[in-house]
Formats: sequence, structure tokens, C-alpha cells
Amino acid sequence: SQQGEEDPQALSIQEGENATMNCSYKTSINNLQWYRQNSGRGLVHLILIRSNEREKHSGRLRVTLDTSKKSSSLLITASRAADTASYFCATGLFLTGANSKLTFGKGITLSVRP
Amino acid sequence: NAGVTQTPKFQVLKTGQSMTLQCAQDMNHEYMSWYRQDPGMGLRLIHYSVGAGITDQGEVPNGYNVSRSTTEDFPLRLLSAAPSQTSVYFCASSPRTGGAFSYNEQFFGPGTRLTVL
Repeated sequence: SQQGEEDPQALSIQEGENATMNCSYKTSINNLQWYRQNSGRGLVHLILIRSNEREKHSGRLRVTLDTSKKSSSLLITASRAADTASYFCATGLFLTGANSKLTFGKGITLSVRP
Repeated sequence: NAGVTQTPKFQVLKTGQSMTLQCAQDMNHEYMSWYRQDPGMGLRLIHYSVGAGITDQGEVPNGYNVSRSTTEDFPLRLLSAAPSQTSVYFCASSPRTGGAFSYNEQFFGPGTRLTVL
């Protein structure tokens, strides 16, 4: 079953605007990660936020995590046409020993119009 | 470093045929995994390995076999291809830090697009 669910499913904005994408999950997690996938390519890791962190920044990316609401948001500021891609959240859960589980959502399609 | 490489990029099979999707990484990562990506389904874990000689099943393992004889290579075998296995397959690797893998960034290969007729 899918753990992370992104919202909205698709987002279209003008270049220069900010893009906000949300991810909700159902059970406890140890971390939450965001990935980007350009058309026809593999996924690329963007940012990881641990369950004891509330906010993290990386360049134009800002991620927040609210464990009480079981939700995360990814904000891309000053968007560019090159940000056009699918974005996935993935929830990480440590189980036992070397076992852990990383579950991906279905993704958000972001289109940035020039 | 080449990172994670996958071959072939594209493959067309007939129902019942078998084949092996190759995956290799040159980052000395202990953890490797295979996912399939289908429209509207996101990524689903097929099999994974926490080190050479150790493999385990993921969410959708039926119809697939894996082995891990070296740290670098993690091939995925389709035993008897079915149209339901038409998908894009991604291999990923990750280093182990602090005893767990899901804490870490996953490095993905470029994918293999498989069509089963």
C-alpha cells in the first residue's frame, strides 16, 4: 500500500512563481525524502528531512515536516522552466537491524510555463 | 564515477520469454533495490539486497528473481514474461549509515523500459 500521497496530482505555474507540493502519510516515519524525475529519466534525490526536524532548506527548496499532522510540504521558490518534472515524496521507516522500508507516493507533475 | 547503470534501455519481449535486466553501481553501496514504475502507481519495490549474498522480497516480487554475488551487480531476472510486467524498471543503490538504509539518499539508474507482447 502507498504510504505517501502527494497533493495536488498536477500543478501548472508561471516561471518566477512559487510552487508548493504536499505529501501526507498514514503511519509513523523516521524520515521523509523528496525526489525529482525528469521525463524519461531516473529519480534524483532532492532533500531528506528527519522526523525530529521541522524545516530544511536547500537552495531554492524548502521542506517542512509536521509529524502531528503526518504531512510534509515542498516549496520551490522562483520557479524556472527547468523545474518542470514529476516530484515524489518517499517515507522512510526503520524496522529492525539492517531492514528498513522506503515507500514512494504516486508523484506530482509540475509544469512551469516560460 | 558512473553511478548506477542499467542495461538495456529498452526491451521488447514476447509472452513466456525470459530475460535479465542488468544493474551495476560503482559507489561501493551495500544496499541495492529494484522498483517498477507504472502510470498512476508510483514506484513499487520488487526485490532488494542489503549486501552480497543477501536478498529479500519487496512489495511485488512474483515473477522476478534476483541474486547478489558481488557488491557491484544486482541483476533482475524475469522468468516467464507476462504482459502485466510491461513497465519501467529502476535500479537504485544506497550506502548504509547508522545501521539503516532508508535514512539515506537513494541513487537511481536511468531505467529500463520493458514491453511484453
